[in-house]
Amino acid sequence: DIQMTQSPSSLSASVGDRVTITCRASQSISSYLNWYQQRPGKAPKLLIYAASSLQSGVPSRFSGSGSGTDFTLTISSLQPEDFATYYCQQSYSTPWYTFGQGTKLEIK
Amino acid sequence: QVQLVQSGPEVKKPGASVRVSCKASGYTLTNYGISWVRQAPGQGLEWLGWINAHNGDINYAQKLQGRITMTTDTSTTTAYMELRSLRSDDTAVYYCAKVSEWLAYNWFDPWGQGTLVTVSS
Repeated sequence: DIQMTQSPSSLSASVGDRVTITCRASQSISSYLNWYQQRPGKAPKLLIYAASSLQSGVPSRFSGSGSGTDFTLTISSLQPEDFATYYCQQSYSTPWYTFGQGTKLEIK
Repeated sequence: QVQLVQSGPEVKKPGASVRVSCKASGYTLTNYGISWVRQAPGQGLEWLGWINAHNGDINYAQKLQGRITMTTDTSTTTAYMELRSLRSDDTAVYYCAKVSEWLAYNWFDPWGQGTLVTVSS
């Protein structure tokens, strides 16, 4: 199985900050990497697919980069609604998907 | 718009079975796969399996093999996930999600609203 490891597990930041979350795969997964946002009590929402493609309707302050084993999700200027938990997911070994353990983004 | 609407919360005793439904609308069910994911209280996302609604191909997470069954009913555009021999650690919110594709890439979008399954004696 491909293991996905996110860092940090939690992060405190302020509105307007630039934030970066990292996801590392246990083996190369090319660009088969997706990012999701989950607000409390809600279903996950797709932000980025194929490592760097922004899902329609997602604000442009979100961006994704990376390939191989190392990936990042960047939020350029945090907004109040961005405080949530973020998950990466590999789709290289489709249909045997795996998620990272999540990164909780909290207000400082 | 594309939407997945799941059935309501369930409370089950250990050893029982539960079936969660996921009704798809706004797209042709047989053109895409459906994946199921669960989230235990305060925990992360765990992929459970995937069903191809077109040809019936199914893949289950190894840890649930033998206890889980996924099906689709194309006449009602509904997907189902049944989990048997329930244990307390099966308590979780269960989600269905449409598997979207582009070239060889795929991702989950949208997701159903989630169904809380509580296993308690």
